[in-house]
Order: sequence, then C-alpha cells, then structure tokens
Amino acid sequence: ILNVEQSPQSLHVQEGDSTNFTCSFPSSNFYALHWYRWETAKSPEALFVMTLNGDEKKKGRISATLNTKEGYSYLYIKGSQPEDSATYLCAFTHTNAGKSTFGDGTTLTVKP
Amino acid sequence: DAGVTQSPTHLIKTRGQQVTLRCSPKSGHDTVSWYQQALGQGPQFIFQYYEEEERQRGNFPDRFSGHQFPNYSSELNVNALLLGDSALYLCASSFLVQGVLYGYTFGSGTRLTVV
Repeated sequence: ILNVEQSPQSLHVQEGDSTNFTCSFPSSNFYALHWYRWETAKSPEALFVMTLNGDEKKKGRISATLNTKEGYSYLYIKGSQPEDSATYLCAFTHTNAGKSTFGDGTTLTVKP
Repeated sequence: DAGVTQSPTHLIKTRGQQVTLRCSPKSGHDTVSWYQQALGQGPQFIFQYYEEEERQRGNFPDRFSGHQFPNYSSELNVNALLLGDSALYLCASSFLVQGVLYGYTFGSGTRLTVV
C-alpha cells in the first residue's frame, strides 16, 4: 500500500497572502507526481506533472517543486486570490506506471 | 472537445441493487481509470482499462467490475450495493505511451447514493 500524505488538511488565508502546502510520497520507485486543482462541483484540473528530481514548474502565481530523494513536493501560491479557493490534490505514480495514488487533498479557502 | 463525460451525474439506488456508470474519454485518449471518492478523502483507484482489458486493479472487491468498448468508452458496474458504496465515482482518461500515462483528465463524476 502506497501512502501519499498531504498537509495541512485545510488552510484559511487572506487575499494577498502567499501560501504553500506539502505532498509526501514514497521515495522509492518514483515515476511521476501530479498536482490537481479541484473546485467544488467541477472536475479535477491538472496543474503540473513532474518527473525529475529538482523539477520546478510554474503556472501563473502557482508553482511546484519536487524532491524525489526525500519524497516530497511543495505547491506554492503567491498572492492568493479568492478564485484560488479549491482542494489541491497530489497523486503519485510509481515505476509500475499506470494507477496513481492520491493524497486526501489540502482545501484552501482565500477570504477577500 | 467535450472532454471526459460521465453519466449519470447523480444516482440513488437501494442496498442490494446493481448499478452501471458510464464514461466517455476525451478525444484521442485510449485509457480509462476509475476512482471512488468518499467524503473527505482523496480518490481511491478502482481499476484501469486499456485496449478493452483491465490493466491494473486497486483494492476493491469483485463486486466492482468494468468494461471498455472498442470506442474507448468504459463502464463501471457495482453489484450487491452496500451503503458504504455511496461516493463520488470519477473517471479519468489518458493516453498510454510506452507505459506512461499522459494527459490525465477527469470527468465531473457520478454521485452514487445507496439507501
């Protein structure tokens, strides 16, 4: 059983604050890590897929880093906006590529 | 592009009944994965279909079965429904190249309630 853990479980910030959260995954047999953004009543939306240790990806105000040796990834949001409010899921794929194991998500609420 | 479409969006069934959920993948995708998401938890992998065969399976009982059709669409069947099967069922499509999945895209899900 692969454990993918996300922290914190939930986060409340003020508009304009920068924030980050963590995804921890097994450091062995790593293949890829995905980040998804999931707004209520919508489909999860793919943000990033990272495959190499040290990868850094950026999309607007959102960025992510990857450390496969120690088994963690950080997601950063700079200058949070109310529209960033969503659940952010990470998913780990190991070398038996195919299924992805998801964390339980971090729910972000940005107050105006 | 319609993306991944799932039907129905909501469903209420009685304990012991059987249910079939449907998924049409995004155009160009050949692999369909099914997930169950209980309230407050991340999606749990049920199984994945490629070339009309079950390619991988998660830790779900045999009551959960599936099928993929030649047009890549897929069905998830659950027999002898239990109250604990109430959840959001997500379908994700992708395309497989040399063992790696690309373009993972989710549908909006089917909300199943078992009473």
